[in-house]
Amino acid sequence: DAKTTQPPSMDCAEGRAANLPCNHSTISGNEYVYWYRQIHSQGPQYIIHGLKNNETNEMASLIITEDRKSSTLILPHATLRDTAVYYCIVRVVWEYGNKLVFGAGTILRVKS
Amino acid sequence: NAGVTQTPKFQVLKTGQSMTLQCAQDMNHNSMYWYRQDPGMGLRLIYYSASEGTTDKGEVPNGYNVSRLNKREFSLRLESAAPSQTSVYFCASTRGNYNEQFFGPGTRLTVL
Repeated sequence: DAKTTQPPSMDCAEGRAANLPCNHSTISGNEYVYWYRQIHSQGPQYIIHGLKNNETNEMASLIITEDRKSSTLILPHATLRDTAVYYCIVRVVWEYGNKLVFGAGTILRVKS
Repeated sequence: NAGVTQTPKFQVLKTGQSMTLQCAQDMNHNSMYWYRQDPGMGLRLIYYSASEGTTDKGEVPNGYNVSRLNKREFSLRLESAAPSQTSVYFCASTRGNYNEQFFGPGTRLTVL
């Protein structure tokens, strides 16, 4: 699986959009980009995933660059409850067992 | 639905003791996983089971054994606990390769 690079931490004002970047310059054509988050001491929570098109769901939007070497997770109106560690993961979806490899992630602090 | 449940929530062991961490899911998922998370780090895959009756090693399998008892249950056993196994253990499940993983609340294990 391709490696990812994320900033160790970011701050965001409550009510503003939080834009979390992820670099995956070695991503291959059959690898998807997944985002999970982990709120303090809880199990990780799935947010969104995509291959090459931008994706949106009720939680967030995922913007993937045309060359697929980087992506941005957007939380459109961040709240204090969005304070968490956000993990960007790239992997082959049909790989046997659907294994995920977690890096250190980005600590997002939403401040009032 | 309860989702993914784990027992116990907390456990303290002495070096050399054995114990089994239990995990169950009620979502009829095919694949199940065990991860560990050390302080300040991302999750690392210990073992996974792509389907009932199969298990495979992940990134850090040494010192652990697993049993996929049936489709619902996937247990993790420490035969002779060591202080290096002090960690938070998360179980997860997923329906198939294209689907997100659902995580349990975790078991906090301390080995003295």
